[in-house]
Amino acid sequence: NAGVTQTPKFQVLKTGQSMTLQCAQDMNHEYMSWYRQDPGMGLRLIHYSVGAGITDQGEVPNGYNVSRSTTEDFPLRLLSAAPSQTSVYFCASTPTAQAKNIQYFGAGTRLSVL
Amino acid sequence: KQEVTQIPAALSVPEGENLVLNCSFTDSAIYNLQWFRQDPGKGLTSLLLIQSSQREQTSGRLNASLDKSSGRSTLYIAASQPGDSATYLCAPNSGAGSYQLTFGKGTKLSVIP
Repeated sequence: NAGVTQTPKFQVLKTGQSMTLQCAQDMNHEYMSWYRQDPGMGLRLIHYSVGAGITDQGEVPNGYNVSRSTTEDFPLRLLSAAPSQTSVYFCASTPTAQAKNIQYFGAGTRLSVL
Repeated sequence: KQEVTQIPAALSVPEGENLVLNCSFTDSAIYNLQWFRQDPGKGLTSLLLIQSSQREQTSGRLNASLDKSSGRSTLYIAASQPGDSATYLCAPNSGAGSYQLTFGKGTKLSVIP
């Protein structure tokens, strides 16, 4: 049972480069989300999706795009990376959007923007 | 805006001790609250989820309590073990229909053999 899989685990970018962080889950979960974790701060919600074709912004969406074409995948795109986007990114999923369910997290992607 | 504070920021205890981690939140209108564990370089693992109508939730050596009206939750760990060493995160959920988790900065626990 793979759970929530994030790729890559590590990435170094130069300012202005673009890239996509991949997230896939094999649990048929409806709800998926992206967080970033910075030193000295709690996790902050970037974007979330309540189902295929539906996405919405979280607390810190600027500089990031998402799409949800399938139930399984929820990629996060950085169109023009900035040093302020250096962070650890976590993808999470839960069976439905109902808040009674626990969230399952991936292992994270560690991104450095130079 | 919901704000979450976890005290202490770090805690070191000898193996076998019982310990309490504290979490306070500013907006008491929450749907539930989760406690997570994060190991270094790893993702988060949900430990306990307490619904707003519950006062306590237990799993093995872990017991979480919730006092919604006062904006407080505690995580009690009994008979601590070195394997309990990790960062513990508290996250109240302010959304009834969808997730609106707000995370604290966590308590880093070290259990010394």
